[in-house]
Amino acid sequence: DQQVKQNSPSLSVQEGRISILNCDYTNSMFDYFLWYKKYPAEGPTFLISISSIKDKNEDGRFTVFLNKSAKHLSLHIVPSQPGDSAVYFCAASMEYGNKLVFGAGTILRVKS
Amino acid sequence: EPEVTQTPSHQVTQMGQEVILRCVPISNHLYFYWYRQILGQKVEFLVSFYNNEISEKSEIFDDQFSVERPDGSNFTLKIRSTKLEDSAMYFCASSEERQGVAFFGQGTRLTVV
Repeated sequence: DQQVKQNSPSLSVQEGRISILNCDYTNSMFDYFLWYKKYPAEGPTFLISISSIKDKNEDGRFTVFLNKSAKHLSLHIVPSQPGDSAVYFCAASMEYGNKLVFGAGTILRVKS
Repeated sequence: EPEVTQTPSHQVTQMGQEVILRCVPISNHLYFYWYRQILGQKVEFLVSFYNNEISEKSEIFDDQFSVERPDGSNFTLKIRSTKLEDSAMYFCASSEERQGVAFFGQGTRLTVV
């Protein structure tokens, strides 16, 4: 099941710089997208979401951009902090569905 | 801040045994879910539950699995006869709306030996 793809297994960024995490999807029925952060031995923690009627949503240091025509979304973290080091998952759901479909995750390392 | 709580945090069981994983969803949430993550793999949807019945389930959720909301606060996942390949982290989640944000518990690590 490759409906949601995160093609970068890992990303390393210097503290204070921007982190950009990418996600692609193939199913055009997806209309709600979320980013979760996960530390080892913990459950996913919700970060930010975006509906398909928008192309940008911002919450503090986190901004999610959605490009529906390219079926692509990205999460920007500015400025990056060492505490942001975690695995980031992109997830998507359909209007009449109940489930989230997750990407494989991207490990973000923020170096101080 | 309200949170989803899961017990136990780690369960070791022998192959063929039954296990019950327990969850207390956030109190005003109406939709409940189980997901799992096998080591090194994606987080996978198992089942969603609303209004005391299953609303959607994945191919993984076969007859060995069942869910129940035995009272107003608990939500359980039962695996009748565990297999080695059931070893995974199992996450419970809940949401206020059907397509709302799902909040996850900290997970139960199930190890089948």
